[in-house]
Amino acid sequence: GAGVSQSPRYKVAKRGQDVALRCDPISGHVSLFWYQQALGQGPEFLTYFQNEAQLDKSGLPSDRFFAERPEGSVSTLKIQRTQQEDSAVYLCASSATAGGYNEQFFGPGTRLTVL
Amino acid sequence: AQSVAQPEDQVNVAEGNPLTVKCTYSVSGNPYLFWYVQYPNRGLQFLLKYITGDNLVKGSYGFEAEFNKSQTSFHLKKPSALVSDSALYFCAVRDGRSGNTGKLIFGQGTTLQVKP
Repeated sequence: GAGVSQSPRYKVAKRGQDVALRCDPISGHVSLFWYQQALGQGPEFLTYFQNEAQLDKSGLPSDRFFAERPEGSVSTLKIQRTQQEDSAVYLCASSATAGGYNEQFFGPGTRLTVL
Repeated sequence: AQSVAQPEDQVNVAEGNPLTVKCTYSVSGNPYLFWYVQYPNRGLQFLLKYITGDNLVKGSYGFEAEFNKSQTSFHLKKPSALVSDSALYFCAVRDGRSGNTGKLIFGQGTTLQVKP
């Protein structure tokens, strides 16, 4: 299909391991967002890309979190030295334009469990 | 402060009856409001949005929402509920402080249970 895809869908990591989560947005979409959704909560913003530029990373919880979108399409969210509190569903969303005035299309998410 | 409140953790309604899922918001500047639905093990699906214009917004699957500026509310409604509408519903507002990024602030979610 032409929707947002994410991989892997599920990831189990031992505490201290590094993980990389991939997002393939809808082709041609300018905006790409990462959100973190804890169990029973609404998604919370992590970071935003407009094309290849990371314009907002105010939601990243620590310097262990790093995101990139080098060619303005696929994005990777990397978490170094994972901790148990990093366990959550990580959602990627894309939008056709900048500014947030149009709907964001969400991927299915990656469920990260840190043991 | 920028925030979204969904005062009900769960809403129960009988199939065929009208449903309302409540949402109130607080935001700087003009409000841009969205409703999303989440089914188990799936991402969020867009239902509808309010940007400007008519206060009654129509969306997917027969849902609609009423924007009320004086009450800072954006309640989701449907005239006749279906069992298949049972899911988790999120209200969201565009963060007015975010400049051109347009990140969303979400409510805590409301579980809708439609019983046959």
